[in-house]
Amino acid sequence: EVKLLESGGGLVQPGGSLRLSCAASGFTFTDFYMSWIRQPPGKAPEWLGVIRNKANGYTTEYNPSVKGRFTISRDNTQNILYLQMNTLRAEDTAIYYCVTAGNWDWGQGVMVTVSS
Amino acid sequence: DVVLTQTPPTLSATIGQSVSISCRSSQSLLDSDGDTYLNWLLQRPGQSPQLLIYSVSNLESGVPNRFSGSGSETDFTLKISGVEAEDLGVYYCMQATHAPLTFGSGTKLEIK
Repeated sequence: EVKLLESGGGLVQPGGSLRLSCAASGFTFTDFYMSWIRQPPGKAPEWLGVIRNKANGYTTEYNPSVKGRFTISRDNTQNILYLQMNTLRAEDTAIYYCVTAGNWDWGQGVMVTVSS
Repeated sequence: DVVLTQTPPTLSATIGQSVSISCRSSQSLLDSDGDTYLNWLLQRPGQSPQLLIYSVSNLESGVPNRFSGSGSETDFTLKISGVEAEDLGVYYCMQATHAPLTFGSGTKLEIK
């Protein structure tokens, strides 16, 4: 059974940084593309980016809306996906989900609130 | 970016009624590999979205067969044949053909 458990969310001031983690289990982590998707309260989800699998060199691709501020990385020895978020803004307030790209299994999400 | 327009925004149905949701894309979702990466998701209240249908018409494992998907290129439909109480929530279409991946604005299904 695929399990995705996000952590690291919370309250951060505008301009601050935060790193989210996603612990993955139940599948061969290195075989999968992994994505981060966020959902502002009451709104539709927004895809943030993807990190590809081992066969595709773990390359990354980002939504232009966050490119340059957000970085996706992975620790393939511990099966953890990361999202480093810098220069946070109020509009980054959302639930952040870790998702297997292609199979579209979603974690339970973690709330990030950007406010002074 | 590809814009997905979902209609209607809200839907009210009785148990056993059949309903349809439309998703129209601003450009063709037919990929160069021959597949069309249009998926349907359901987000029940307080839960994460879950995949119902992938690549237009393929039912995800464990999803009841009262759900079906159809369409091509830019015009897609999700049909629920006989709504059940557990079907309430917000339905989203999403496309994975073109980067950045995008989602429709959602259709909220209420049970009368």
